[in-house]
Amino acid sequence: GNSVTQMEGPVTLSEEAFLTINCTYTATGYPSLFWYVQYPGEGLQLLLKATKADDKGSNKGFEATYRKETTSFHLEKGSVQVSDSAVYFCGLIITGNQFYFGTGTSLTVIP
Amino acid sequence: KAGVTQTPRYLIKTRGQQVTLSCSPISGHRSVSWYQQTPGQGLQFLFEYFSETQRNKGNFPGRFSGRQFSNSRSEMNVSTLELGDSALYLCASSILARDNEQFFGPGTRLTVL
Repeated sequence: GNSVTQMEGPVTLSEEAFLTINCTYTATGYPSLFWYVQYPGEGLQLLLKATKADDKGSNKGFEATYRKETTSFHLEKGSVQVSDSAVYFCGLIITGNQFYFGTGTSLTVIP
Repeated sequence: KAGVTQTPRYLIKTRGQQVTLSCSPISGHRSVSWYQQTPGQGLQFLFEYFSETQRNKGNFPGRFSGRQFSNSRSEMNVSTLELGDSALYLCASSILARDNEQFFGPGTRLTVL
């Protein structure tokens, strides 16, 4: 079946620290992979995406590379800011199928 | 282009009542999905509608139902509310495309007393 396994939180980092949130997946076809971010009191917003193996999605300093050999799509940022505090969701979709999300990882960045 | 809108934003009901939530997708989007978000369970898929037909369904009891209209607007209904139904209900819309990016609404916060 299809599923997403995401690193459990909560994660607390100091400002300017390096961030990694692990995400691995299982899929019966060729999925597109996504990272969504949810700021307090808001809905989910697309952060970045990758549609095929070895693609790198990037946005706002965040990056994730679609690794088919390890079925992973880890989220990274070199230097986090307080404004990055949010909940991050890894997700996948196979065309015509439902969207599968991980359980979410809460990130708090302290000054 | 207007985003996904959900009404109402907040709702308070009592156990045993029923509730209807509404979602208007982005213009041109024909797929609408519903999710339940709770602190303990994270984001759980309820169902997806495409061209007025339920295309995918999550693992929720029959008290949860939905429908989609010809203009792609969707409604979700929960009957015989339970305390555990208190959650943020998110709606997302997408077009039929390879990457199927989903665009989320702000959610409806349902509190069951």
